[in-house]
Amino acid sequence: DIQMTQSPSTLSASVGDRVTITCRASQNINNWLAWYQQKPGKAPNLLIYKTSNLKSGVPSRFSGSGSGTEFTLTISSLQPDDFAIYFCQQYNSYNSFGQGTRLEIK
Amino acid sequence: QLQLQESGSGLVKPSQALSLTCTVSGDSISSGGHSWSWIRQPPGKGLEWIGYIYRSGSAHYNSSLKSRVTISVDTSKNQISLKLSSATAADTAVYYCARGSYLDPFEYWGQGALVTVSS
Repeated sequence: DIQMTQSPSTLSASVGDRVTITCRASQNINNWLAWYQQKPGKAPNLLIYKTSNLKSGVPSRFSGSGSGTEFTLTISSLQPDDFAIYFCQQYNSYNSFGQGTRLEIK
Repeated sequence: QLQLQESGSGLVKPSQALSLTCTVSGDSISSGGHSWSWIRQPPGKGLEWIGYIYRSGSAHYNSSLKSRVTISVDTSKNQISLKLSSATAADTAVYYCARGSYLDPFEYWGQGALVTVSS
């Protein structure tokens, strides 16, 4: 089974900050990596798929990069609506998720 | 617009089976090459993929749950179902159905159904 490790688990930041979340896979996942945003009481929402492809309608301040086993989600300028929990997910070999990163207001 | 809706028992006694159904609207499970997954999230914790199924009925499960899980599909009703046997308190979670799995991200999700395992 492929293990996904996210860091940090909690990130404190301010509106306008640039933030980066990292996700590491236990083996090569051939860029089959997605990022999700989840708000309280809601289902996760797909932001990015295949490492760097932005889902239609997702603001361009979100971007993804990486390859092999190391991946990042970057938010270029935090907006109030971005404070949420973020999960990475590999879908190269079955499916598995990172443990999540809580992005909170500093 | 594709929509998914989970339904089923919200309270299950320990050692009994947990059963949920996901009804898909806005598209047919029989069309396209997508598969359909169940994912769960214990209160305040992360996401765990349970398994997925294709329209053919071919299913694949998380190795940690494989001995207790059955996912089935009813294309005539446009539904997928989840059964988890021998439930314990550790199975208390919000259960989501979603479209996607192998090489296919989870683009569409249901709103989730809370299942509590308690006597």
